[in-house]
Amino acid sequence: AQSVTQLDSQVPVFEEAPVELRCNYSSSVSVYLFWYVQYPNQGLQLLLKYLSGSTLVESINGFEAEFNKSQTSFHLRKPSVHISDTAEYFCAVSASNDYKLSFGAGTTVTVRA
Amino acid sequence: NAGVTQTPKFQVLKTGQSMTLQCAQDMNHNSMYWYRQDPGMGLRLIYYSASEGTTDKGEVPNGYNVSRLNKREFSLRLESAAPSQTSVYFCASRADRINTEAFFGQGTRLTVV
Repeated sequence: AQSVTQLDSQVPVFEEAPVELRCNYSSSVSVYLFWYVQYPNQGLQLLLKYLSGSTLVESINGFEAEFNKSQTSFHLRKPSVHISDTAEYFCAVSASNDYKLSFGAGTTVTVRA
Repeated sequence: NAGVTQTPKFQVLKTGQSMTLQCAQDMNHNSMYWYRQDPGMGLRLIYYSASEGTTDKGEVPNGYNVSRLNKREFSLRLESAAPSQTSVYFCASRADRINTEAFFGQGTRLTVV
């Protein structure tokens, strides 16, 4: 069975500063990895995903994440955040031999002016 | 393009009452999921259905039942609601290949008093 650990529950950050959200996973088989974002009182939206190929994946709004198999990590980064990036971020993993999609506990990002 | 539709959006139940949460998707996806979201615990999988006619338990199935009525619809039933089931419930669906992302509904906020 797979599992996900998000290492930071809350990350306060100033506008235009960089941010990194840490995610580690556990699985005995190959995995697919996802980052989702949830804005207040909304559902979850996909931010980016790693399925195969290049280990660095990017989203259209400036986020990127790097799959590191040796460290079993999939950390999310953005070089310069905006107020509108204030949200909760979830890392998720799906094992290649299973239909389950498992989520971490979430990281709340609060961007301050 | 509705995506994943959940009804109702809000519900208040008394302890011991029963209710069914409805979910429908119009993307021709084979796999569907029910999660509950609680503060600090992320999304926990209640039940999932890999394909029409199959259902499987997730991490927290106790107190819930599901029905995969057809390919489009996946309902979650609380037979005898308890205060511990106060939560936000999300339905999600995925395409028929496991290496794809999930699409989420807007959630049902359930309060059991």
